[in-house]
Amino acid sequence: GAVVSQHPSRVICKSGTSVKIECRSLDFQATTMFWYRQFPKQSLMLMATSNEGSKATYEQGVEKDKFLINHASLTLSTLTVTSAHPEDSSFYICSAVASGANVLTFGAGSRLTVL
Amino acid sequence: DAKTTQPTSMDCAEGRAANLPCNHSTISGNEYVYWYRQIHSQGPQYIIHGLKNNETNEMASLIITEDRKSSTLILPHATLRDTAVYYCIADINTGTASKLTFGTGTRLQVTL
Repeated sequence: GAVVSQHPSRVICKSGTSVKIECRSLDFQATTMFWYRQFPKQSLMLMATSNEGSKATYEQGVEKDKFLINHASLTLSTLTVTSAHPEDSSFYICSAVASGANVLTFGAGSRLTVL
Repeated sequence: DAKTTQPTSMDCAEGRAANLPCNHSTISGNEYVYWYRQIHSQGPQYIIHGLKNNETNEMASLIITEDRKSSTLILPHATLRDTAVYYCIADINTGTASKLTFGTGTRLQVTL
């Protein structure tokens, strides 16, 4: 079945630094990927839709200059948290739909801790 | 996306069937019912989906009422590894790359 891989699974960084999270579709091509964020004991919240070869679409309230999304190929989308602060600490999850499939496949998530 | 309502939490004894209900009274004709689950600190896992007919796969069964206003996910023989948060989502077919909106889900605790 379709597999979505995220890297790193865990990252700790200092406040003010930037962190990049990768999302790869391992055995299929994905023109669209989705980025979610999940705070402790809360549900997943959609942050943005990543479109291959074009600009990402951000949900209301998500700062596009802070959460940079690049979808340069059909198998890779990256999320960069710029100038991270402790309040950005969260579980970031990506998902994608394989062409011809009708379900979203999710990655295992990346836990970001900003000190 | 139609709003869904699920109980906050449920318990189930290991080996018994777990029946997780979901209300989606405003579901539209082209919206499917999707079920995902999220085990602690992992990404959501797809379980099953359906439009109006009951569905069964190796993981679970999905029973959708005739008026489509509610559904039940059935795990026939729950194990401790089925402890997770289960999300019921009503959305159009994600083959069109439709994003999914997650509610609060049902926290299922399977006990010995």
